[in-house]
Amino acid sequence: EPEVTQTPSHQVTQMGQEVILRCVPISNHLYFYWYRQILGQKVEFLVSFYNNEISEKSEIFDDQFSVERPDGSNFTLKIRSTKLEDSAMYFCASSEVGVSYGYTFGSGTRLTVV
Amino acid sequence: GESVGLHLPTLSVQEGDNSIINCAYSNSASDYFIWYKQESGKGPQFIIDIRSNMDKRQGQRVTVLLNKTVKHLSLQIAATQPGDSAVYFCAENWGGSSASKIIFGSGTRLSIRP
Repeated sequence: EPEVTQTPSHQVTQMGQEVILRCVPISNHLYFYWYRQILGQKVEFLVSFYNNEISEKSEIFDDQFSVERPDGSNFTLKIRSTKLEDSAMYFCASSEVGVSYGYTFGSGTRLTVV
Repeated sequence: GESVGLHLPTLSVQEGDNSIINCAYSNSASDYFIWYKQESGKGPQFIIDIRSNMDKRQGQRVTVLLNKTVKHLSLQIAATQPGDSAVYFCAENWGGSSASKIIFGSGTRLSIRP
């Protein structure tokens, strides 16, 4: 069964450093998303991406965050200057026809900012 | 406002019994609802969805019920098995862009007693 692949599975970084979280969505999917989940809390929407541009973003997705689809397969989330409160699980998701039929989520990257 | 909430944070059921997980939503404009299962260390996994023009939908061992009058959603799992142990999230979406976001509720942890 096709799956969304995220790397790395765990990233530890120092406060103020830049991190790039990588995702390979399902190959025929056109819509891409990033969500995050702080430990023990609910899954929060960050950003959606379609046709090489951001469709929607949340209040969390401030100027420190950016997304990119640098080639035909990868979808990345960059945090320019990490803060302690950025520590969370970050999930990438993709879908074929937008929100219908739900999304397929990756297994996540655990980001720990120290 | 935008919120999806769950009545109970934890639910313990006997193996073989049926489980019912409840969810309340507050946005009357929501027209698409999804249940996700999240096992430890994994991303949310799509279980079943339902559109607002339906009040019931059945899958394999799972049934979702939607009551738009009271803005209530439930997930019924028949003959609960140890593999059903997980956190279950309801999520909602309301119209607009095909890339529009899904909003997650706070989750219910389902544990199975042998």
